[in-house]
Amino acid sequence: RKEVEQDPGPFNVPEGATVAFNCTYSNSASQSFFWYRQDCRKEPKLLMSVYSSGNEDGRFTAQLNRASQYISLLIRDSKLSDSATYLCVVLSYNTDKLIFGTGTRLQVFP
Amino acid sequence: GAGVSQTPSNKVTEKGKYVELRCDPISGHTALYWYRQSLGQGPEFLIYFQGTGAADDSGLPNDRFFAVRPEGSVSTLKIQRTERGDSAVYLCASSDPTRGPGSYNEQFFGPGTRLTVL
Repeated sequence: RKEVEQDPGPFNVPEGATVAFNCTYSNSASQSFFWYRQDCRKEPKLLMSVYSSGNEDGRFTAQLNRASQYISLLIRDSKLSDSATYLCVVLSYNTDKLIFGTGTRLQVFP
Repeated sequence: GAGVSQTPSNKVTEKGKYVELRCDPISGHTALYWYRQSLGQGPEFLIYFQGTGAADDSGLPNDRFFAVRPEGSVSTLKIQRTERGDSAVYLCASSDPTRGPGSYNEQFFGPGTRLTVL
């Protein structure tokens, strides 16, 4: 079983839609969680950190449920420019290495 | 300022050959990481340097893979006797681990080297 699991998609949504991605992680000792964005043939870039209290950055909201070991990302009012792969990432317990999910591909169409 | 740079951007080699991939981290970043990303997968950790020393090399798949960072800045990932299964994008990242405990030292990624083994 992979340490971080997410649905690879693709999710095809129209502009203006709300879309949610989910992710589960297996190591209950994990402390830090993130969403990274990766455009086609580009490097991953940090989108946002994920906290138990939930956090919001404009149209993006991230949530963490430690009891269920579940992380989510909600994108409201989707834009064409949101088309990308969204990677769920866990910071390995007691080290600095990042553990990535396979990524969920989002395609926003006009 | 300048980000992480990697050379070459693309490398095509034949099975059994030796390759070297180079990473220039962001100036002042003492932590450097190598990841490998296969098609349709997320990046997978290979090795992490803090300064000149390898702090964690648990992700290196076998002894054909080796990495160095002799002066604590530029790093080279070396692959001996390449195999077709080594074909992937090799990503380098760096971070500045000066933030306090409990803070995330963001890892900034370079554009990667796309390695193709024929």
